[in-house]
Amino acid sequence: DSGVTQTPKHLITATGQRVTLRCSPRSGDLSVYWYQQSLDQGLQFLIQYYNGEERAKGNILERFSAQQFPDLHSELNLSSLELGDSALYFCASSVARGQSSEQFFGPGTRLTVL
Amino acid sequence: AQSVAQPEDQVNVAEGNPLTVKCTYSVSGNPYLFWYVQYPNRGLQFLLKYITGDNLVKGSYGFEAEFNKSQTSFHLKKPSALVSDSALYFCAVRPPSGGSYIPTFGRGTSLIVHP
Repeated sequence: DSGVTQTPKHLITATGQRVTLRCSPRSGDLSVYWYQQSLDQGLQFLIQYYNGEERAKGNILERFSAQQFPDLHSELNLSSLELGDSALYFCASSVARGQSSEQFFGPGTRLTVL
Repeated sequence: AQSVAQPEDQVNVAEGNPLTVKCTYSVSGNPYLFWYVQYPNRGLQFLLKYITGDNLVKGSYGFEAEFNKSQTSFHLKKPSALVSDSALYFCAVRPPSGGSYIPTFGRGTSLIVHP
């Protein structure tokens, strides 16, 4: 158990809908990262927050947004969903944003868009 | 820009035999290198990292990795494979300073250990 929790575990929804994925980092970790994992794209970095502020953006679509709250939990919002958004979404946390810190990954949310 | 290559999509090895999962990287300066493992329906788990110092790094579950600067490689090794080692393995690199703090992951190598 990495100490990172993600809810829900599974999500099935229809095209055009909006969903929110939630992540609680390990106790004491200030950095939260969101990743998308699919068979064809591999593990894609979406966005990073550090202590409530956005720090880095990766291949995140404009239809997607995220935030980190004062209690350090984070939410990833996906809207106007398309079939191609079906994937595993992982949250990871680390102690700091430094390069030497390893990341601790949550169990993921499997999103299926029908 | 940094990049990571895992040249093998799949590695097959018999239980008890040594295993190697290959990783090469490209980054400016000295890299920070990581290996993660992903079991089915689970998130990635940190195995080991190279920051500085001894080129041979030991990690969890008997795994080790050797940093080779001249060959820009960071291959994952284990002297004797177990069936339970069967999983997806990811190599990742972070630059030592400046730029993005975000690690770049390889596409992953599926390790299959046969009984």
